[in-house]
Amino acid sequence: QSDLTQPASVSGSPGQSITISCTGSSSDVGGYNYVAWYQQQPGKAPKLLIYDVSNRPSGVSYRFSGSKSGNTASLTISGLQADDEADYYCSSYTSYRSTSSYVFGSGTKVTIL
Amino acid sequence: QLQLQESGPGLVKPSETLSLTCSVSGDSISGTTYFWGWLRQPPGQGLEWIGSISDSGKTYYNPSLKSRVTVSSDTSRSQFSLRLTSVTASDTAVYYCARGYGSPGICDYWGRGTLVTVSS
Repeated sequence: QSDLTQPASVSGSPGQSITISCTGSSSDVGGYNYVAWYQQQPGKAPKLLIYDVSNRPSGVSYRFSGSKSGNTASLTISGLQADDEADYYCSSYTSYRSTSSYVFGSGTKVTIL
Repeated sequence: QLQLQESGPGLVKPSETLSLTCSVSGDSISGTTYFWGWLRQPPGQGLEWIGSISDSGKTYYNPSLKSRVTVSSDTSRSQFSLRLTSVTASDTAVYYCARGYGSPGICDYWGRGTLVTVSS
């Protein structure tokens, strides 16, 4: 069981926009701005898409954007393309009663229709 | 271009120690503000952060694994390592080494990963 809740799957047609949610608590997503999103293609290592809630690393397409409201973070992919089909994971720093760590969501499979 | 490469045994017996090394090329692992860490992914499952080490040698561990994990570095060789003791079948996973960007668990460069199976 993962600490952060993501929908199992999201689908969309080419050119459309989709949003993936990531719900945690005040001990993780809601309490800190250390939220990240990763894309993982089959058989490959994860690729960092978003860090610190809404920042894109150099080289990541502007089509990927992140935001947060309360205990829920979101990743929006605009202008869906065929190679966006992948698994997406959110991650957050968490701290509770003097222990800290990084937790992940269970992952969302994005399907291009 | 920064590259990371995991190496180590692909098969470990239950109750023994899993040891992996990550070799870093394209940049130094010392004198930077980055972190160097390990994550894993059981077959068909999600990701789990294991632990990281900073340039100064400070370590950060997942509390659920802390009693069994050691992350260390050898800056002269541009390598860092993972030791996980008393392994069981539930430790079977693809193990990734990665660079922490700004914080220990937010990783911008990853190795390709190496599958470690725990079985007798």
